[in-house]
Amino acid sequence: GEDVEQSLFLSVREGDSSVINCTYTDSSSTYLYWYKQEPGAGLQLLTYIFSNMDMKQDQRLTVLLNKKDKHLSLRIADTQTGDSAIYFCAESTGFQKLVFGTGTRLLVSP
Amino acid sequence: EPEVTQTPSHQVTQMGQEVILRCVPISNHLYFYWYRQILGQKVEFLVSFYNNEISEKSEIFDDQFSVERPDGSNFTLKIRSTKLEDSAMYFCASNSLGTDGYTFGSGTRLTVV
Repeated sequence: GEDVEQSLFLSVREGDSSVINCTYTDSSSTYLYWYKQEPGAGLQLLTYIFSNMDMKQDQRLTVLLNKKDKHLSLRIADTQTGDSAIYFCAESTGFQKLVFGTGTRLLVSP
Repeated sequence: EPEVTQTPSHQVTQMGQEVILRCVPISNHLYFYWYRQILGQKVEFLVSFYNNEISEKSEIFDDQFSVERPDGSNFTLKIRSTKLEDSAMYFCASNSLGTDGYTFGSGTRLTVV
């Protein structure tokens, strides 16, 4: 079945870049997403990438997709303390269910 | 910006009781979903709903669970005879025919005591 894996924890200093990695198993994935969850809050869509793209940039966020290796990454430039949260990658095929990764807790220290 | 609204934000219920979690999806969306997140764990898919019927459900979504779209705006998740292990955050989401992704509500924290 589908499986999405992420590293559990990442710690960076304010102003550095953060790179959060994700691997998935479903080769038929059409869309790949990054969601942010702050403590006690819901899931905020940060960005998504269509599977025929290699890269997408949106302000401080850069998504890289290596479809051959089924590897997705999210780079946050100039990381701020407000970026501290749990980041989930997720994949779907069209309008089917989202399959979420385990989540990466990002801690940004001043 | 359109949003998915969930009520209540927190519900405490006795084991064995029935609960109904409510959601108002974005008005022009056609696909609706329920997910749950047990504390500290990943977000798990429960059920998807399209054209007034369930389109897919997970193995978690057994006979204890049911969904309904009773009118043109609400989308509900009913949990019959709640168990302690049903305690979790339940998220509703909706999606359109576009490529702007799934929009999630802020969740209902269900605590079964």
